[in-house]
Amino acid sequence: QSVLTQPPSVSAAPGQKVTISCSGSSSNIGNNYVSWYQQLPGTAPKLLIYDNNKRPSGIPDRFSGSKSGTSATLGITGLQTGDEADYYCGTWDSSLSASVVFGGGTKLTVL
Amino acid sequence: QVTLRESGPALVKPTQTLTLTCTFSGFSLSTSGMCVSWIRQPPGKALEWLALIDWDDDKYYSTSLKTRLTISKDTSKNQVVLTMTNMDPVDTATYYCARIPLDSSGYFHGVDYWGQGTLVTVSS
Repeated sequence: QSVLTQPPSVSAAPGQKVTISCSGSSSNIGNNYVSWYQQLPGTAPKLLIYDNNKRPSGIPDRFSGSKSGTSATLGITGLQTGDEADYYCGTWDSSLSASVVFGGGTKLTVL
Repeated sequence: QVTLRESGPALVKPTQTLTLTCTFSGFSLSTSGMCVSWIRQPPGKALEWLALIDWDDDKYYSTSLKTRLTISKDTSKNQVVLTMTNMDPVDTATYYCARIPLDSSGYFHGVDYWGQGTLVTVSS
């Protein structure tokens, strides 16, 4: 059972927009930066969003992130078939046992 | 450029100890704020964080696996080693090492570089 909660799957048509939610608590999302990762089939995860809403160099602005309270959201606009992947949110958990925590992952299907 | 590469056995027997090595380049683990972490992913399942070691040799472990894990570093060789004792078939997973840079206040911003991962199968 993952510390952060994500929907198992989302889907949308090419060109459309999709959002993926990530829910946590005050010990993790509520007081720490959220990051998002894209994992294409058979590959390692790749950093997509850091510091809640910043994109590393090379990540298109079709990808966006936001955070409110103890939840975060990844948005993808102008969906492409190449966006089909698993998406994970992650953050630091500042509870007694400090750790990195991830969501359970969301499978994006571009119909 | 930053690269990380995992190495270790592809197959281990139940009850054995797994030793994985992460060899990295493009950064130094003696730089303030720099950390290396191990993360695993069972086939078809989610990412699971295992352990982290920082530039100051502080170590953090997953609560659920703490008694079985040891992380260490050799700064001169640019390597981080993870050992996991008493391996079980449920530990079958792809194991990733990754870089985590913390800022001057110790805040986590993200896992910015990942290795390609190494699949470890636990079976007799």
